[in-house]
Amino acid sequence: TQLLEQSPQFLSIQEGENLTVYCNSSSVFSSLQWYRQEPGEGPVLLVTVVTGGEVKKLKRLTFQFGDARKDSSLHITAAQPGDTGLYLCAGRGAGSYQLTFGKGTKLSVIP
Amino acid sequence: NAGVTQTPKFQVLKTGQSMTLQCAQDMNHEYMSWYRQDPGMGLRLIHYSVGAGITDQGEVPNGYNVSRSTTEDFPLRLLSAAPSQTSVYFCASSPLLILNTEAFFGQGTRLTVV
Repeated sequence: TQLLEQSPQFLSIQEGENLTVYCNSSSVFSSLQWYRQEPGEGPVLLVTVVTGGEVKKLKRLTFQFGDARKDSSLHITAAQPGDTGLYLCAGRGAGSYQLTFGKGTKLSVIP
Repeated sequence: NAGVTQTPKFQVLKTGQSMTLQCAQDMNHEYMSWYRQDPGMGLRLIHYSVGAGITDQGEVPNGYNVSRSTTEDFPLRLLSAAPSQTSVYFCASSPLLILNTEAFFGQGTRLTVV
């Protein structure tokens, strides 16, 4: 069973601060995805990373896939109240369609 | 553009009752799956299907049954509800032949077993 450890579990910051969320595993993943979930809704995909060392940017969000494809990070620059939500990392093993999810990071950005 | 539709949105059951959570998608996706989400536990896979007539167990299948008679529908059955099955249930679908594809989720069903 592939496990994804996500940290921190909770994060409360002031508007304008920077933050980083981590997703770590002892297993290698063929791809890793980050989803964002709002209360009462299902998760929605933010990004997919597939190559070791890959960096993707989505406005103020920067996603990185570790060189060994065992870990990933999400960095938010100058957080806004609209960034508030639950952030989930999810990985797929080689040849698998199943997604393994981390436990999530609940982010609150205070105005 | 409906995407993945789950019904009902909320449900309260008594211990021992059975019920079916409905999931339908209109994107012609082969792969469909059911997850449960509990506080601090993330999303855990219950059952999944790679096409009509094919289902398999995920991480936490006990107490749940599924069937896939059509590409569009993937219902989840609770045989005899228990308080431990109180959770939020999500159905998801994705195309099978696209590597590293996005999973599209429904809005969830919040189930309380008393």
